[in-house]
Amino acid sequence: EIVMTQSPATLSVSPGETATLSCRASQSVSSDLAWYQQRPGQAPRLLIYGAFTRAPGIPARFSGSGSWTEFTLTITSLQSEDFAVYYCQQYHNFWTFGQGTKVEIK
Amino acid sequence: EVQLVESGGAVVQPGGSLRLSCAASGFTFNDYAMHWVRQAPGKGLEWVSLISWDGGSIYFGDSVRGRFTISRDNSKNSLYLQMNSLREEDTAFYYCGRETLEAAGSIDYWGQGTLVTVSS
Repeated sequence: EIVMTQSPATLSVSPGETATLSCRASQSVSSDLAWYQQRPGQAPRLLIYGAFTRAPGIPARFSGSGSWTEFTLTITSLQSEDFAVYYCQQYHNFWTFGQGTKVEIK
Repeated sequence: EVQLVESGGAVVQPGGSLRLSCAASGFTFNDYAMHWVRQAPGKGLEWVSLISWDGGSIYFGDSVRGRFTISRDNSKNSLYLQMNSLREEDTAFYYCGRETLEAAGSIDYWGQGTLVTVSS
């Protein structure tokens, strides 16, 4: 099983600043990597697939990068609605999620 | 508008069984593979199962393999998860999700979830 490890567990950021979230795979997943946002009490929402392709309707302030085992989600100019938990997911070899990074207001 | 609505969640005793349903609308259901993903209260996401568009390919996560089955009825635009031999650690919100056509494996639409509680 491919293990996905996200860091940090919690990220404290001020509104308007940039958040950088990391996701590491225990073995290569090529670019078969997605990012999801989950707000409290809501279902997850797809942000990024293919490591860097934004899903329809996702603002340009969300960007994904990386390949093989190291991936990054960058959120610029953080808005109030961006404070949430973010998960990475690999789909290269079956499907596994990271444990999540909570982005909280500093 | 794409909609996925789960139902069937309940409180069940350990060792019991439960069948979850997911009603799909707003898209051509039989074009898409479908997933079940669960989330224990206050915890992260755990992938549970996938069924291909025609039911010809089915996969399960290690923690549920042999106890859960997945099926679909394309004539009814419905997805199912039959859960047997339930354990307390199966307690979670269960989400159905539609697999993204552009990137097979990611999930572009999710239902709101249905809560399964396994407790004596």
